[in-house]
Amino acid sequence: AQTVTQSQPEMSVQEAETVTLSCTYDTSESDYYLFWYKQPPSRQMILVIRQEAYKQQNATENRFSVNFQKAAKSFSLKISDSQLGDAAMYFCAYSHLYNTDKLIFGTGTRLQVFP
Amino acid sequence: DAGVIQSPRHEVTEMGQEVTLRCKPISGHDYLFWYRQTMMRGLELLIYFNNNVPIDDSGMPEDRFSAKMPNASFSTLKIQPSEPRDSAVYFCASSLGTGSLYEQYFGPGTRLTVT
Repeated sequence: AQTVTQSQPEMSVQEAETVTLSCTYDTSESDYYLFWYKQPPSRQMILVIRQEAYKQQNATENRFSVNFQKAAKSFSLKISDSQLGDAAMYFCAYSHLYNTDKLIFGTGTRLQVFP
Repeated sequence: DAGVIQSPRHEVTEMGQEVTLRCKPISGHDYLFWYRQTMMRGLELLIYFNNNVPIDDSGMPEDRFSAKMPNASFSTLKIQPSEPRDSAVYFCASSLGTGSLYEQYFGPGTRLTVT
């Protein structure tokens, strides 16, 4: 069975600085998708970024980028120029290529941003 | 678009009582998902529907939990009888189709407290 692990329950960063959130996963599949979701205090789950495992190029969305290391089964999220609005819970998630209906989530990392 | 609508936002009930959580997916979305979020286990998929038909309920913790989708615009998650360990935030999400290109849109969640 696939598992997703986020080993950092909490992280903090100063405004305008860069922070990296870690995620590792376990799967025997070679093709799959990885996601980062943001959950602000409003509790809405917002998709931040997605990565297809067959793509070697790391995904980027504005200030958010990932470091995808397929051999190491690592999928970290880098937030550059952190803003106060980035404060939230961040969830890493996995889905199988051919069963993308099911998302498997990590336990989340709470990010605090200090002015 | 109003997004995914869940009600109630907060529910407090006593052990042994029946609890019904409600969800209205985004119009036109064929997939509906129910998730449970706890501090210990993170976000877990309970069950999901395609065109009102349950596809995978392997995440439902036990027979006390049941979910229905009588039509394309409404779904319920029922817990009977409720127990304190059911206390969690329950999310409903919907998506237009299957595949990673179809983002799951999450509702604001229902925070359930069972005393």
